[in-house]
Amino acid sequence: NAGVMQNPRHLVRRRGQEARLRCSPMKGHSHVYWYRQLPEEGLKFMVYLQKENIIDESGMPKERFSAEFPKEGPSILRIQQVVRGDSAAYFCASSPVQDNSPLHFGNGTRLTVT
Amino acid sequence: AQKVTQAQTEISVVEKEDVTLDCVYETRDTTYYLFWYKQPPSGELVFLIRRNSFDEQNEISGRYSWNFQKSTSSFNFTITASQVVDSAVYFCALLGGATNKLIFGTGTLLAVQP
Repeated sequence: NAGVMQNPRHLVRRRGQEARLRCSPMKGHSHVYWYRQLPEEGLKFMVYLQKENIIDESGMPKERFSAEFPKEGPSILRIQQVVRGDSAAYFCASSPVQDNSPLHFGNGTRLTVT
Repeated sequence: AQKVTQAQTEISVVEKEDVTLDCVYETRDTTYYLFWYKQPPSGELVFLIRRNSFDEQNEISGRYSWNFQKSTSSFNFTITASQVVDSAVYFCALLGGATNKLIFGTGTLLAVQP
C-alpha cells in the first residue's frame, strides 16, 4: 500500500511563474490536507479538502493560492505569480475519514523561487 | 486558542545518553489528540505516536517513551540510549476541534554526536 505521494520532490520557479504541486493520497483515503513549512519553522496548516470540496481553507493566503481535489486524480496546490517568500516545503497528508486518525504525510515538495 | 510550545530549540547529546524533548500544549477542547513526528535530514515527516486526551498511560516503544500529563498539559518524549540515527527535528502536534487541523510546535533539533 503506497503512502502519500507528492511530486515533484523539488521545484524551482522564477518570480512571477506558476507552481503546481501534486498530492496523491493513500489508497482509500478521501481527505487531503496541505501544510507549509517555512525555513526553520514548524508546519502550518493551509487547507483541508475532501473529494471535490474544500472543507477548511483558513490557513491559505487569500491571493495567488488555490487548491483542488477533483473526483479523479491527485490534489493540486497551485501558486500563481510566485514570490521569494513562497519558498518553502509543502507537505500533503491524507486520512481515510475525519476521525482523527494519524495523518500520513508525503515526503513534501520543496519549492524554491529564484 | 490552541498552541503547542517546544521550548527547546536545539539539544546536543553524546551517543548512548538519554534525552527528553519537552512539549507543552494549550487547548480548550476536552477531546484532543497529541502527536510526535520525526523529520530527519532527508526532510520527510515520520509519524511516531498519537495519544488521545482520555488516555494518560505512558507508552514505551523500544528506546522511545512518552509521558502524557494532563495536569501540566505536557506530552514529553524520551529517547533512551540515543543513537546517531536519532538526529532529527522532532515536532509535537495537537489535534482538536471539529477539523483535522494539526497545530505543530516549532520543533526541537536533536543532534546526537558519536
